[in-house]
Amino acid sequence: QKEVEQNSGPLSVPEGAIASLNCTYSDRGSQSFFWYRQYSGKSPELIMSIYSNGDKEDGRFTAQLNKASQYVSLLIRDSQPSDSATYLCAVRGGTSYGKLTFGQGTILTVHP
Amino acid sequence: DVKVTQSSRYLVKRTGEKVFLECVQDMDHENMFWYRQDPGLGLRLIYFSYDVKMKEKGDIPEGYSVSREKKERFSLILESASTNQTSMYLCASSAQRGGTDTQYFGPGTRLTVL
Repeated sequence: QKEVEQNSGPLSVPEGAIASLNCTYSDRGSQSFFWYRQYSGKSPELIMSIYSNGDKEDGRFTAQLNKASQYVSLLIRDSQPSDSATYLCAVRGGTSYGKLTFGQGTILTVHP
Repeated sequence: DVKVTQSSRYLVKRTGEKVFLECVQDMDHENMFWYRQDPGLGLRLIYFSYDVKMKEKGDIPEGYSVSREKKERFSLILESASTNQTSMYLCASSAQRGGTDTQYFGPGTRLTVL
């Protein structure tokens, strides 16, 4: 079983819709959770970090964390074509030094 | 504003050459990381460092070494480049203090080994 798994893509949504990206992780001691966006040929950039159960909102983005279910998700409201990218879920386990484990990524396409 | 820079965006080397990839961060971060990213395989950790002169192997350290002589600089070394090391190499850094452990990435180096 992979340590961090993301829902298989690609995911295609129409402009203006809500895109839902999901991620599960296996290490119950995980402390920190991140969503990165990566455009083709570019490096990952942080969208959201979340550390405690519940929802965290930032503009059109909402991260949701459920530690009991070992589940983290990212919702993108009012999706735009510029949101088309690969979204990476990353989890910091119980170890030190800030080492992250990344999921394989979900490709999102927002079509006009 | 956070900044991680890498020495080259594109690099072409020949099999057997010794290759140096450099990464510099200006955020006074303790942790630095080297990843490679390949289609279908995601981001894989090669090595990381949590302090000057300290290093830890990641998931795929074979064929690579690293050096961290100064806090801001972390170098990845391919001792004898091989074609299977053709990849996108990404450097990242993060802080140990303050409860925030976000990793910030450099722009990446696309290495081609012929």
